[in-house]
Amino acid sequence: SQTIHQWPATLVQPVGSPLSLECTVEGTSNPNLYWYRQAAGRGLQLLFYSVGIGQISSEVPQNLSASRPQDRQFILSSKKLLLSDSGFYLCAWSLTGGVPLHFGNGTRLTVT
Amino acid sequence: QQQVKQSPQSLIVQKGGISIINCAYENTAFDYFPWYQQFPGKGPALLIAIRPDVSEKKEGRFTISFNKSAKQFSLHIMDSQPGDSATYFCAVDTGNQFYFGTGTSLTVIP
Repeated sequence: SQTIHQWPATLVQPVGSPLSLECTVEGTSNPNLYWYRQAAGRGLQLLFYSVGIGQISSEVPQNLSASRPQDRQFILSSKKLLLSDSGFYLCAWSLTGGVPLHFGNGTRLTVT
Repeated sequence: QQQVKQSPQSLIVQKGGISIINCAYENTAFDYFPWYQQFPGKGPALLIAIRPDVSEKKEGRFTISFNKSAKQFSLHIMDSQPGDSATYFCAVDTGNQFYFGTGTSLTVIP
């Protein structure tokens, strides 16, 4: 069966510090991978999605970036965090061109 | 641009009652309409989904009603239970991109 791992679960970082969140999927090949952000009490905002290694599409201009160095690994990064980057970050995967979308348990990021 | 509009933002229902959450969309290219359930501190989990070739899908106490001509779909929770208290999201899918509604916080009062 397929599983998705996301870490860390919680993170507190000062403004201006770098960020690296990692997500890996097991039990499937060539998945579509996604990063979403959920602000407190709000909906899910699609940040990035990837249909293959090195293929990243950005939905929202921001100081975040994503990379997919391996087939089942997706990384969310920032060189300098802003206060507005605080939120709940969710990684998700789906089969290529398919449904449904499966989410990890998220990372709660607080920028202080 | 909001791809899907969800209402209400919050909902309080008595135990045993019916909870109804609605979503509307504009893009007729969407071909998959899921509902997700999210508990605090957890990622959303798929609850039930429908394709546009059917008007209704039922799984246990959960039913999706789909109105293709009106471009609307809704989630009905029958015999609502306190354990159903969570945030519910509708979503639409273009094949590679999923867009979510703003969520409905459901509270079921014992």
